[in-house]
Amino acid sequence: DGGITQSPKYLFRKEGQNVTLSCEQNLNHDAMYWYRQDPGQGLRLIYYSQIVNDFQKGDIAEGYSVSREKKESFPLTVTSAQKNPTAFYLCASSIGVSSTEAFFGQGTRLTVV
Amino acid sequence: AQSVTQLGSHVSVSEGALVLLRCNYSSSVPPYLFWYVQYPNQGLQLLLKYTSAATLVKGINGFEAEFKKSETSFHLTKPSAHMSDAAEYFCAVSPTNFGNEKLTFGTGTRLTIIP
Repeated sequence: DGGITQSPKYLFRKEGQNVTLSCEQNLNHDAMYWYRQDPGQGLRLIYYSQIVNDFQKGDIAEGYSVSREKKESFPLTVTSAQKNPTAFYLCASSIGVSSTEAFFGQGTRLTVV
Repeated sequence: AQSVTQLGSHVSVSEGALVLLRCNYSSSVPPYLFWYVQYPNQGLQLLLKYTSAATLVKGINGFEAEFKKSETSFHLTKPSAHMSDAAEYFCAVSPTNFGNEKLTFGTGTRLTIIP
């Protein structure tokens, strides 16, 4: 089945550590996105990528980094510079940035301990 | 600039009753509008979308929404609630002259179904 796979589903991190969240898609989509979701808030865009080897900052990119070396993969690194990293992270993809439908993964819940 | 306001962070309805989730938007250009559903600890699933065709949009699971430009609204309705409809619902807007990088989400409405 085609879709978006995020791993792991739950992740715990000690303060001061970097951690990488995985996002893989087999939909042959060009565009991929990372969102952060906090309780009582909508989704906020962290980074997006329109094509391989290219990515752009979203609204809350500080303390995060990404790479897009392969079309199907868009990993997100939460660095120690992110002051409040505990959140639910969602990866999404679309045929292109101008597509009117984005498909979402199941999410990764990151907790800093 | 654009924004979305979802009125009511929590809505409870009885099973079999009408579901009405409210969404108002602001956008400086003609918008695309979306409703997504999220079940606990899951990703978002698209329920329906308005992309400047018919103003009454039908989606999955019996939901529909009507785009009312004069009221800047895009309320989500379902005639008869089912227990499986319990979830969180997000309204979202994006400008027609940009792509998904400008997709703006509301803060969500948690729908509870009372047996």
